[in-house]
This record gives sequence, C-alpha cells and structure tokens, in this order.
Amino acid sequence: GAGVSQSPSNKVTEKGKDVELRCDPISGHTALYWYRQSLGQGLEFLIYFQGNSAPDKSGLPSDRFSAERTGGSVSTLTIQRTQQEDSAVYLCASSLNRANNEQFFGPGTRLTVL
Amino acid sequence: AQSVSQHNHHVILSEAASLELGCNYSYGGTVNLFWYVQYPGQHLQLLLKYFSGDPLVKGIKGFEAEFIKSKFSFNLRKPSVQWSDTAEYFCAVNSGGATNKLIFGTGTLLAVQP
Repeated sequence: GAGVSQSPSNKVTEKGKDVELRCDPISGHTALYWYRQSLGQGLEFLIYFQGNSAPDKSGLPSDRFSAERTGGSVSTLTIQRTQQEDSAVYLCASSLNRANNEQFFGPGTRLTVL
Repeated sequence: AQSVSQHNHHVILSEAASLELGCNYSYGGTVNLFWYVQYPGQHLQLLLKYFSGDPLVKGIKGFEAEFIKSKFSFNLRKPSVQWSDTAEYFCAVNSGGATNKLIFGTGTLLAVQP
C-alpha cells in the first residue's frame, strides 16, 4: 500500500514569505507527527496530531509555525514570514494510533529560505 | 528531559568488517527504543525496535541491537557489513505517555568501502 507522502519535495522561498507543507499519512493512521531535520540540530519533534486535534505542540519553535489536520487525514504545516534558520528538511510520520509506537516516515520536504 | 547520545558521528568500514554503533539515552522510566536508517536519497526506515521482553532484538538486513537497562544503552550491531549498508543511522527513544513522540540522536553516518 501507499506510504506517507509529502509535497512539495523541494521548496525554495525568499525570506519573509509564507510556505505550506503538506503531508498525506498512511490511510487509517490516526496519529501524525511532524519533525524537522536540520544541520547541527538533528531530528527534532515539532507537533503531534491525534485525529484532528494537536495535544502536543511543544516542539514548534515559534509562533510563526502552525499546523492543522483535517478529516483525520491530510496535515498542513505552515511557516509564516520564513527566516533563513527555517531551512531544513521537514518530515512527516504517521502511526496506526498513539499506542502503536512504530512511526512510518515520509520522504520529507526540503525547505530552503534565501 | 529525555535525550539520546550517539557517540560515533562518522564511521568508515571496509566490507565484511563488524559494526557496532553506540546509543545511550537518559530517561529513568520505561522506554521504547528504535534504530532508524536513512539510505542515500531515501526516507527514514525502521531497522528494529525494542518494547519489552528479550533485550536482544533482531531487525532487518542482519542488524541486531541489545538493550542494556543498567547502562541505558541500545547499541546497534552487524557482524559483517556490506557496501549497501552505507547510510545514516539514528537511534531514538520514546516514553509513551501522551504523544509517543520520538527523541532522536544526532545520527551516525556509516560509509562502507568495497
């Protein structure tokens, strides 16, 4: 079956612009996670969704970052007024439910802020 | 706070050499432990996981890891590496709780020379 998909695969933007990153989890997976992979910081947790609600947003680095999930499926991560330090690979993962620990990762979106 | 340490940042081996990658975590409670691998140009894939039971866990492609609770360690091993094992390896931990978010180590880049 299809795995986690993310779009776009690459995004280049200018400092100050807003960007939206999309994640399509595996069908039927209720838990969805966003992580960020950047040089010097490794892989960092950003936000967790269970269904459409986000009980853990503790990893979002600033109020410029937000995310939503609709229909218990697709999620969008939005970064407003992008900064150069936002440049990273943004990874999405899903798991069957919160209790099931195996997370399946998507290919990521490489964001470059000029 | 939980953290994961991977001591080897960059490892170079010849084919058929044995591999051991170190991973230590800091958390006093019950943990679930993972090793993920990222092959060049590919997304993160689960190599193996430990939830409970036998502390020696076998994963895909001949990899295994041993959970030593007293040492807070979960080292990854393979008796004989192949060129195709060239990849970045990430150790991760979660503590269950409300989110099951993963805390990753900084990764170890393994280069296997033919």
